[in-house]
Amino acid sequence: DAGVTQSPTHLIKTRGQQVTLRCSPKSGHDTVSWYQQALGQGPQFIFQYYEEEERQRGNFPDRFSGHQFPNYSSELNVNALLLGDSALYLCASSLARGQRYTEAFFGQGTRLTVV
Amino acid sequence: GENVEQHPSTLSVQEGDSAVIKCTYSDSASNYFPWYKQELGKRPQLIIDIRSNVGEKKDQRIAVTLNKTAKHFSLHITETQPEDSAVYFCAASPPYGGATNKLIFGTGTLLAVQP
Repeated sequence: DAGVTQSPTHLIKTRGQQVTLRCSPKSGHDTVSWYQQALGQGPQFIFQYYEEEERQRGNFPDRFSGHQFPNYSSELNVNALLLGDSALYLCASSLARGQRYTEAFFGQGTRLTVV
Repeated sequence: GENVEQHPSTLSVQEGDSAVIKCTYSDSASNYFPWYKQELGKRPQLIIDIRSNVGEKKDQRIAVTLNKTAKHFSLHITETQPEDSAVYFCAASPPYGGATNKLIFGTGTLLAVQP
C-alpha cells in the first residue's frame, strides 16, 4: 500500500501564474481533503471532495479550486498566484462511505514557492 | 468561527520526563479529536485520537483526555524519548454529515526531548 501520494514534491512559480497539484488517496479511501500549511503554522483546511463533488470549503478565495476524478484522485488548482500562497500543500485521504468516524492519512505534501 | 488554541508553542523536557500539551476548541459540536506528530520535512502522522463519547484513551506511553464541558483536550506523553522530538498538532472535527468531516488544527507544539 503506497499510502497517500502527492506530486510534485517541490514547485517554484512566478506571481500571477497558475499551478496544479495532484493527489492519489490511500487504497480504499474515497474522500480527499486539501490543507495549506504555512511555515510554523498548523494546516488550514481548503476544501474536501467526496463523490467527485466539493463537500466543504474553508476560508479560501475562489482562486483555489479542485477536482476529484472517478478513481478518487484529486487535483488542487490555484490561479493568479500570490507570494502569500507559498506554503506546504497537504492532501489527506479518508474513507467516508459507511463510516461514522474516519481517520485522515496525509501525503508528504507539495512545497510551493511563489517568487 | 471554528478555532483551536494549542499551548505551549514550545516544550523542552528531559528524557524520561512527561510532556503535556493542551488544546481548547470553540465549536461545542465537535465530535472527533485527533493528534498528529510531524517530524521535520515529513507528513503529519496520526498518533492517537478520541471520540466525543469517550473521556480518556491510552496507547502505551501516549494518552489523551477530553473534557467536553470545558471544551478542551490534552495529550500526555510519559517516559519521553529523544525520538518523541517533533511538532505535535491537535485538531478538532466539527460534524458535517457522516464521516466527511474537516479538521481544524491548532498551531502546533514543538517538543524537544533532551537526552
